[in-house]
Amino acid sequence: GENVEQHPSTLSVQEGDSAVIKCTYSDSASNYFPWYKQELGKGPQLIIDIRSNVGEKKDQRIAVTLNKTAKHFSLHITETQPEDSAVYFCAATGYGQNFVFGPGTRLSVLP
Amino acid sequence: GAVVSQHPSRVICKSGTSVKIECRSLDFQATTMFWYRQFPKQSLMLMATSNEGSKATYEQGVEKDKFLINHASLTLSTLTVTSAHPEDSSFYICSARASGVTDTQYFGPGTRLTVL
Repeated sequence: GENVEQHPSTLSVQEGDSAVIKCTYSDSASNYFPWYKQELGKGPQLIIDIRSNVGEKKDQRIAVTLNKTAKHFSLHITETQPEDSAVYFCAATGYGQNFVFGPGTRLSVLP
Repeated sequence: GAVVSQHPSRVICKSGTSVKIECRSLDFQATTMFWYRQFPKQSLMLMATSNEGSKATYEQGVEKDKFLINHASLTLSTLTVTSAHPEDSSFYICSARASGVTDTQYFGPGTRLTVL
C-alpha cells in the first residue's frame, strides 16, 4: 500500500521568510496530492492540491511542486505571516483509493 | 463552497453512554463521507468510509459494532460511539467527497469527545 513520509516534523521561520515542506510517497499509481492546513482544535483545510499530470501549481503565496520520477512533492510558502502558523499535512491517493496522510509538519512563523 | 459542518463541536459524556456525531455537507451532495480519528499531535487515521445508501467500510482494527455509521442521505452521515470508554476520547473529524468527484475531500471542523 501507499506510504507517505513528510519532513521536517517541525519548522520555525522568521516572518517574511519562505517555508518548504517535503513529502515522499511510495505508490507510483498515486495521482492526486492535496495539502491541508490544520489550526489548533480545528479540522484540516484544503489549501492547494496537484494532480500527476501537472508539475507545479501556484496560488498567491502558496505553491506545490511534484516530481513523479522521484515520487516527491513539496509545499512552498513565501512571505510567511504569523497566521501561517499551523500543522500542515500532505496526502497521496490514487483512483478509488483512500487518502494516505503524512505525519504532519508544525510550522511556526516568528514575528 | 464545499462547506462541511459537524455537530456537536465538543461533547463530554460518562463512560458507558453512547454519543452521536453528525456530519453534513452544506452546499454540495456527498456520495461518500469519511470518518477520521486524530489523537494529540498525530496525523489523521481513517476509521471508515460511508457511501450513501450502503453499509460503511471499516478500516482494519476499527470495531463496526462500536462505531456505528449511517449515511442516510447525500448530505448527512452520522457516527455513533456506543458504550464509550475513556480510551475513545479523541478528536473525530469527518470529510466529504462531492458526487462525481473522485478525489478531493473537504473536512468538517471536528468533534472533541471526552469520556469520563
